[in-house]
Amino acid sequence: NAGVTQTPKFRVLKTGQSMTLLCAQDMNHEYMYWYRQDPGMGLRLIHYSVGEGTTAKGEVPDGYNVSRLKKQNFLLGLESAAPSQTSVYFCASSVRPVDNQPQHFGDGTRLSIL
Amino acid sequence: AQRVTQPEKLLSVFKGAPVELKCNYSYSGSPELFWYVQYSRQRLQLLLRHISRESIKGFTADLNKGETSFHLKKPFAQEEDSAMYYCALSGRKTGANNLFFGTGTRLTVIP
Repeated sequence: NAGVTQTPKFRVLKTGQSMTLLCAQDMNHEYMYWYRQDPGMGLRLIHYSVGEGTTAKGEVPDGYNVSRLKKQNFLLGLESAAPSQTSVYFCASSVRPVDNQPQHFGDGTRLSIL
Repeated sequence: AQRVTQPEKLLSVFKGAPVELKCNYSYSGSPELFWYVQYSRQRLQLLLRHISRESIKGFTADLNKGETSFHLKKPFAQEEDSAMYYCALSGRKTGANNLFFGTGTRLTVIP
C-alpha cells in the first residue's frame, strides 16, 4: 500500500518553463490537496479537490493550476515557472472530513526555479 | 482570520526531561486542532488530534480555549522524538477540509 505518491521527487527548472507535478493515492480518498512549504512559513494550501472533476483555490493559488480528472490523481501545473515558486511541494489526501479524519501526505517534491 | 503560531523554531531538551511544544491559535469559531510530525527522511504524518483526546507515543495535547492554546507535552523525552512538529487548525470557517499550519518547531533530544 503506497499511500500518497508524488513524482518527481526533485526538479530544476528555468524561469518561464512549464511542468506538472503528479500526485497519486491508492486509498480511494475523495479529498486531495496541494501545499507548498517555504522556510519559516509552514505549509500553505495552494489548491484542493473535494472529488473527481472538482477543484478549488486555497490560500496561495496564483501561478498554479490543477486538475482532478481521475479520483486517484491530482495534478499541479506551473505554466510559466518563476523563482518565487521555488519550494517543497506536498500532496495530501483524506476521506471526507467527518470527525476531522487526518490528511495523508506524500514525500514531497523539491522544486528549484533558476 | 485564522492563525496558528508556534513561537519556538528550535527546541532542545535532554533525554528523559519533560518537553512542551507550544501552539497558540486564533480562530473565531470552534477549531479542530492537530499535531503533525515529520521524522528525518519520512513524510509528514498525524501525531494526534484534540478531538480524540488520545496519547500517542507518550505525547498528549489539551485544547485550552481560554488561552487559545494546544501545547504538545511529553513527560520524558526520548531520542526518537527528535523531529519537526507542526500544529495545524481546521474548522467550518476555514473549509472543513482545509488545514492551516504553524511554522513548525524542530525538537532535538540530546542523549
